[in-house]
Amino acid sequence: AQKVTQAQTEISVVEKEDVTLDCVYETRDTTYYLFWYKQPPSGELVFLIRRNSFDEQNEISGRYSWNFQKSTSSFNFTITASQVVDSAVYFCALSELGGLMGAGSYQLTFGKGTKLSVIP
Amino acid sequence: EAQVTQNPRYLITVTGKKLTVTCSQNMNHEYMSWYRQDPGLGLRQIYYSMNVEVTDKGDVPEGYKVSRKEKRNFPLILESPSPNQTSLYFCASRPQPGTSGWENIQYFGAGTRLSVL
Repeated sequence: AQKVTQAQTEISVVEKEDVTLDCVYETRDTTYYLFWYKQPPSGELVFLIRRNSFDEQNEISGRYSWNFQKSTSSFNFTITASQVVDSAVYFCALSELGGLMGAGSYQLTFGKGTKLSVIP
Repeated sequence: EAQVTQNPRYLITVTGKKLTVTCSQNMNHEYMSWYRQDPGLGLRQIYYSMNVEVTDKGDVPEGYKVSRKEKRNFPLILESPSPNQTSLYFCASRPQPGTSGWENIQYFGAGTRLSVL
């Protein structure tokens, strides 16, 4: 069964500090996808990034970067020079093929989330 | 605009009074799903549907029903709500693997905050 662990329940940083949100996953599949979603105080879920298991390239998007390491089953998310608008709950999620194609395939399993507070 | 629409956004009800939360998507997606979000537990899947008339239980289906009579709609039904169903609910959709240009991304509605007194 797939599992996602976000060990950091809450993190507080001062504005302009860098912060890394950890995500560790478990899966038996060789084909899977990893995601990060942001949930601001308004409550909606905002898709940030998707990575498939065959692509271990790290990605940078503005102040956001993601470090995918299959060897440690981790998909960590770093925010550089944090801003107050980054304050949110961040979810890591895993989607695996899960058995026969088309039978419950690619179900999404979420971690419990990390609440990030950026203090001005 | 591609979107998943949930209604209502906020709902306060009393124990035992049947309610339905609607979900509609305009992207012609085969796959739809319901999640509930609770503090410290993250999002957990309630039910999902691979296509019209095909539904299956997720991780926490007890106390919920769903139906998928049309591709675009996937209502969540609470026949006899109880206080432990107070939660934030999300509907999501995505295309099925194998469809042209498939991307494994679920699109979420804005959420429905339900309180059962």
